Amino acid sequence: GEDVEQSLFLSVREGDSSVINCTYTDSSSTYLYWYKQEPGAGLQLLTYIFSNMDMKQDQRLTVLLNKKDKHLSLRIADTQTGDSAIYFCAESRRDSGNTPLVFGKGTRLSVIA
Amino acid sequence: GAVVSQHPSRVICKSGTSVKIECRSLDFQATTMFWYRQFPKQSLMLMATSNEGSKATYEQGVEKDKFLINHASLTLSTLTVTSAHPEDSSFYICSASRAGGYTFGSGTRLTVV
Repeated sequence: GEDVEQSLFLSVREGDSSVINCTYTDSSSTYLYWYKQEPGAGLQLLTYIFSNMDMKQDQRLTVLLNKKDKHLSLRIADTQTGDSAIYFCAESRRDSGNTPLVFGKGTRLSVIA
Repeated sequence: GAVVSQHPSRVICKSGTSVKIECRSLDFQATTMFWYRQFPKQSLMLMATSNEGSKATYEQGVEKDKFLINHASLTLSTLTVTSAHPEDSSFYICSASRAGGYTFGSGTRLTVV
């Protein structure tokens, strides 16, 4: 199957770090993505990681991938109120060409000032 | 960067009417377009995959005669919701697959009254 699981809610204080977790089941996934969705808006690609990588860092964002456990996490350092949104984990098997992304249910991040 | 323009962003229509949603790739050729549907506080569910010049492939449970997809050119894919009912009210998002990843439209919020 191609299930992607995420916890639904996370609440953090401004300035703290946020860690959003995701598990997936498809071992053939080649790319894993994190998207951000603000209310009423489309999806914004935050970052992605290739399956042969363990970690990727981009400014305040750090992605960790444990391929053995099929576990992906997104860490947001110094979380700001503007980070409040829904974060989706998604996987794809792009080696097969035109395959769609499979999304988790999304984690709603609330940042308390 | 690659941009997918989706219109309209918001539409309200009466039951029984049809609504067309357009997605245009502005600076690249989108041979494949994915159409997703998102209910409130839920994840994105794939509805169908359209390839330029051929019939769309629909996911199980999606009525192809109700959700008409046309991908007549490499830069334009349309989704027409025919004989709309209130239960079709949802957020519809398109996504184009390209070599560098996936590009999403900004979404269309459809409300059927």
